[in-house]
Amino acid sequence: ETGVTQSPTHLIKTRGQQVTLRCSSQSGHNTVSWYQQALGQGPQFIFQYYREEENGRGNFPPRFSGLQFPNYSSELNVNALELDDSALYLCAISGQGRAFFGQGTRLTVV
Amino acid sequence: AQSVTQPDIHITVSEGASLELRCNYSYGATPYLFWYVQSPGQGLQLLLKYFSGDTLVQGIKGFEAEFKRSQSSFNLRKPSVHWSDAAEYFCAVGGGADGLTFGKGTHLIIQP
Repeated sequence: ETGVTQSPTHLIKTRGQQVTLRCSSQSGHNTVSWYQQALGQGPQFIFQYYREEENGRGNFPPRFSGLQFPNYSSELNVNALELDDSALYLCAISGQGRAFFGQGTRLTVV
Repeated sequence: AQSVTQPDIHITVSEGASLELRCNYSYGATPYLFWYVQSPGQGLQLLLKYFSGDTLVQGIKGFEAEFKRSQSSFNLRKPSVHWSDAAEYFCAVGGGADGLTFGKGTHLIIQP
């Protein structure tokens, strides 16, 4: 099993602030995706990075942005936080025809 | 656009009884289909996947799923559930640059 680590596990931010979430993997898989899971809902695809370039995006506004680094770790940045951004954010590393998910970061916007 | 429907929000099953969770999908091409399980406060664990070939796929923890193209369905089954199977189950379609599209999930409750 490929270990995917996300940090922090929980955080609380104020509306209008900016936040950075992080994801790292023990493997060398070069594709990373981010998902938003609101309470009681299924995960929704935010975007995907392949070899440090965004190569797919879901229905999320530009204030959701990301980075992938040469060591395949990744960041999700959200600017101008809104109350509806409160959710569990999941990172997934893709390889071998499957996606390995991290435990997620629980973001609360107040 | 691809979509997934899981008609059952909650299902209650007695321990030792059989289980079937329903999943219907909409996808423009041959679908890649997945079932994931999520325990409270946890990430997603892959139970099984279908890409092509045999329409009955076996997964971990004794789960299986059957792909039925004519019905656009990919239902998850288990012959005998255990209390530890209580969790949220998600069906998903897609992959690649468009990411996975998930259903809203089915919450499985196990009665003793």
